[in-house]
Amino acid sequence: QVQLQESGPGLVKPSDTLSLMCAVSGDSISSSKWWGWIRQPPGKGLEWIGYIYYNGDTYYNASLKSRVTMSVDTSKNQFSLKLSSVTAVDTAVYYCTRKDAGNFAFDIWGQGTMVTVSS
Amino acid sequence: DIQMTQSPSTLSASVGDRVTITCRASRSISSWLAWYQQRPGKAPKLLIYKASSLESGVPSRFSGSESGTEFTLTISSLQPDDFATYYCQQYDDYPLTFGGGTKVEIK
Repeated sequence: QVQLQESGPGLVKPSDTLSLMCAVSGDSISSSKWWGWIRQPPGKGLEWIGYIYYNGDTYYNASLKSRVTMSVDTSKNQFSLKLSSVTAVDTAVYYCTRKDAGNFAFDIWGQGTMVTVSS
Repeated sequence: DIQMTQSPSTLSASVGDRVTITCRASRSISSWLAWYQQRPGKAPKLLIYKASSLESGVPSRFSGSESGTEFTLTISSLQPDDFATYYCQQYDDYPLTFGGGTKVEIK
């Protein structure tokens, strides 16, 4: 079955760049899917960050757009998130997700990785 | 941005109860609405898409409906596994947005 697995540092210093990777198994990242990120601050709700297609097309949440970069590595079947100039408000569980091309919901989620922004 | 307002924020119920959760969109989203279940410490799981379509493998006690900009998730007979937090999400327009969540607690 399709599985997504996040990886990356659990602690990031303020003003640094948060970098996460999501490894895809059971599906090709070059298939007709969008690969994305959603985050959840401790005890709070869900916030969509953005997603990327295998050809590099992206959609980002405008509230984060100036700080977000997503990329795809088709050779390794994985995709990544970079969030620059982080502050404490970026502390959250970060989930990688998949959705079909077109108007579809997020059908596959990674288990999530907690990232704390602190000095 | 499209605001998604869920109610109630918390719901106390017993096993076997019929439970209804409501999500209201700030403007029309056609039927582009999904429902997710999130158990503590776990990732959200897709239950319903396109307002009323049941995701494969999801028990039939879960159902979704819509009336204009108001959407409803119904659990026909609450089971122990169903005590969790439920989120709605619109995917009609960017940015994609979620409701604030409804926590279903044991009464």
